Amino acid sequence: GENVEQHPSTLSVQEGDSAVIKCTYSDSASNYFPWYKQELGKRPQLIIDIRSNVGEKKDQRIAVTLNKTAKHFSLHITETQPEDSAVYFCAASRGDDKIIFGKGTRLHILP
Amino acid sequence: DADVTQTPRNRITKTGKRIMLECSQTKGHDRMYWYRQDPGLGLRLIYYSFDVKDINKGEISDGYSVSRQAQAKFSLSLESAIPNQTALYFCATSDADGPGDTQYFGPGTRLTVL
Repeated sequence: GENVEQHPSTLSVQEGDSAVIKCTYSDSASNYFPWYKQELGKRPQLIIDIRSNVGEKKDQRIAVTLNKTAKHFSLHITETQPEDSAVYFCAASRGDDKIIFGKGTRLHILP
Repeated sequence: DADVTQTPRNRITKTGKRIMLECSQTKGHDRMYWYRQDPGLGLRLIYYSFDVKDINKGEISDGYSVSRQAQAKFSLSLESAIPNQTALYFCATSDADGPGDTQYFGPGTRLTVL
């Protein structure tokens, strides 16, 4: 079955700097890769996703890149702000089976 | 997301008690899920259902059972609660016909077993 590894588990960056979170997956049939943000005390919410026919997707300060050959995908946050502090989860799915989540990255934005 | 609701939002119970957590959705999605979240362990899947007649075990189903009463309702039961089931529980839904398996989470139920 699918396995998703996420690194790092904790990341601290200075406000205004960039943050990168990386995930690898094992099932080459996976074709959908979402990223969720969970603020303290709240539910996880989708912030960006990418499908396997696309190599990169951007939405304002966040972007996701996908390397299908290497089976890894990454979340990039530029010009980080205090409100970016949260736990981020990557996930992988092939549509006909359950989605698999990574274990999460706790992002701290330092003033 | 107000379209996915969970009751109760908080529950404190004692070891050995039977507990039911309920999830309702108005999104019209076929797929529903129950996850457990513990600090540092991310989201772990307990059970999932792709339609009313379909129930599947996730990675940590021992000690839990579920019931899919209708497309809109998916309940999680702890038959005999134990302290290590103290956790935050999330229900989620997704659309099988959507462009991706985007999960829409409920607000969560914080369960404490004494």
